[in-house]
Amino acid sequence: DSGVTQTPKHLITATGQRVTLRCSPRSGDLSVYWYQQSLDQGLQFLIQYYNGEERAKGNILERFSAQQFPDLHSELNLSSLELGDSALYFCASSPTPDRGGGLAGSGGYNEQFFGPGTRLTVL
Amino acid sequence: AQKITQTQPGMFVQEKEAVTLDCTYDTSDPSYGLFWYKQPSSGEMIFLIYQGSYDQQNATEGRYSLNFQKARKSANLVISASQLGDSAMYFCAMREGLYSGAGSYQLTFGKGTKLSVIP
Repeated sequence: DSGVTQTPKHLITATGQRVTLRCSPRSGDLSVYWYQQSLDQGLQFLIQYYNGEERAKGNILERFSAQQFPDLHSELNLSSLELGDSALYFCASSPTPDRGGGLAGSGGYNEQFFGPGTRLTVL
Repeated sequence: AQKITQTQPGMFVQEKEAVTLDCTYDTSDPSYGLFWYKQPSSGEMIFLIYQGSYDQQNATEGRYSLNFQKARKSANLVISASQLGDSAMYFCAMREGLYSGAGSYQLTFGKGTKLSVIP
C-alpha cells in the first residue's frame, strides 16, 4: 500500500459527460501528479500541483482540469468525455520537489508513490 | 525522439533465472533520475529502484539491480532469481532537472516490457 488513495476505483460513463476523480496524497507529501495510461498513448504525465499551486503541465487536454485543495487532496475533472478518454488515471505524490539527491537505490526524495488508479470507461 | 526507449515488448524467463530488461534514455540535462516501476495485472504501479545521474554506484534493491551505463545512456534492470510473482509489466521512467530545483518533476515513461516467468 503506497499510502496514496484514489476514488472511485472504477467509473463508467457516457460520451459528453463530466466526471471528477479524487486523490489523497501520502501524509506530508505536498506534490500531486496526475498521469493517464491508455493502450495507444502509454503512460503520460498530465499535470502537477505543489502545495495548492499548479507546478507543471504535460499533455493535458483543455477539456481536463485539476486542482489541489488546502488539505492537499486533488481532483481531476474530465468534461465532454470522448471514447478516447477511456484509460487508467493515476495520481502520484511525492515530498517537496525541490530537494535533489537521494541515495542510489533508495528513491530518496525523488520517488513518486502511485495510487491504485481510477479506471474510466466512456461508452 | 522518444526520451525513454524500451525495445523489448515482451520477455520470457525461466523461474530462478536472471533476466535483464533494457532501457535507453535521451536527455541533454546533466541532472536526471531513472526509475523502474512494476505494474502487475492488478494495475497498481510499484516503485522498484532508482538511479540518479550523479550516483557513483549502480543501484541495488534486493533482487533488483540497475546496470547504469551513463555514456551509453542505458539503465537496464536486472532481476535475479526470477519468481512467478515477477510476471508483470515493467516501466522505465526518467525525471529531468533532478537537482536544479527548477525542473518540471514529472516522470516520462517508456512503453514498457511485459515479463512472463515460466515455472
